Amino acid sequence: QVQLVQSGAEVKKPGASVKVSCKASGYTFTSYGISWVRQAPGQGLEWMGWISAYNGNTNYAQKLQGRVTMTTDTSTSTAYMELRSLRSDDTAVYYCARVPRFGGRFDYWGQGTLVTVSS
Amino acid sequence: DIQMTQSPSSLSASVGDRVTITCQASQDISNYLNWYQQKPGKAPKLLIYDASNLETGVPSRFSGSGSGTDFTFTISSLQPEDIATYYCQQYDNLPLVYTFGQGTKLEIK
Repeated sequence: QVQLVQSGAEVKKPGASVKVSCKASGYTFTSYGISWVRQAPGQGLEWMGWISAYNGNTNYAQKLQGRVTMTTDTSTSTAYMELRSLRSDDTAVYYCARVPRFGGRFDYWGQGTLVTVSS
Repeated sequence: DIQMTQSPSSLSASVGDRVTITCQASQDISNYLNWYQQKPGKAPKLLIYDASNLETGVPSRFSGSGSGTDFTFTISSLQPEDIATYYCQQYDNLPLVYTFGQGTKLEIK
């Protein structure tokens, strides 16, 4: 069965970086992409960006350009999302989700990773 | 950027009621519209994709319709387990960009 398992909760200070992992299993990793979505406490869903596991192509939300980097390691079927220069309003639950290779629905999601930014 | 306007932001209904949520795009998005259900503390779950296609395993009381700029999500007969927040999501393929609606919190009356 398809599973996306994310790394554990993180606490970071303002200005630091965080790197969240998303390990995929149960399907051919390179046949799909991975999107990242975050949700601040009590708020809605915000799309952060997408990476193709096939060729590493990425597209990031304009708001996060320059602060976010998404990568994949096809040898371990793992996707990563790194966010730099953290601010308090980056405090959120971060989700990875599987996306068909050429876009479309998010059919499987990770369990979420809480990132808390606090001095 | 395409904006999505989802309404209402909250909704209270009784078990057995028909519930409707709408999503309006700021420009034509064809049928590139998905619907998700999110329960507290859980990841979102895909219910409807490409405006009207029911995801495998999702009960048939959930449905979606629309194309272009106006979309509707319907629960034909509300069940207690349907209490959740619902989100629409549009996508554009070139380049691949997604936008979520603001969400609709559904409660039992």
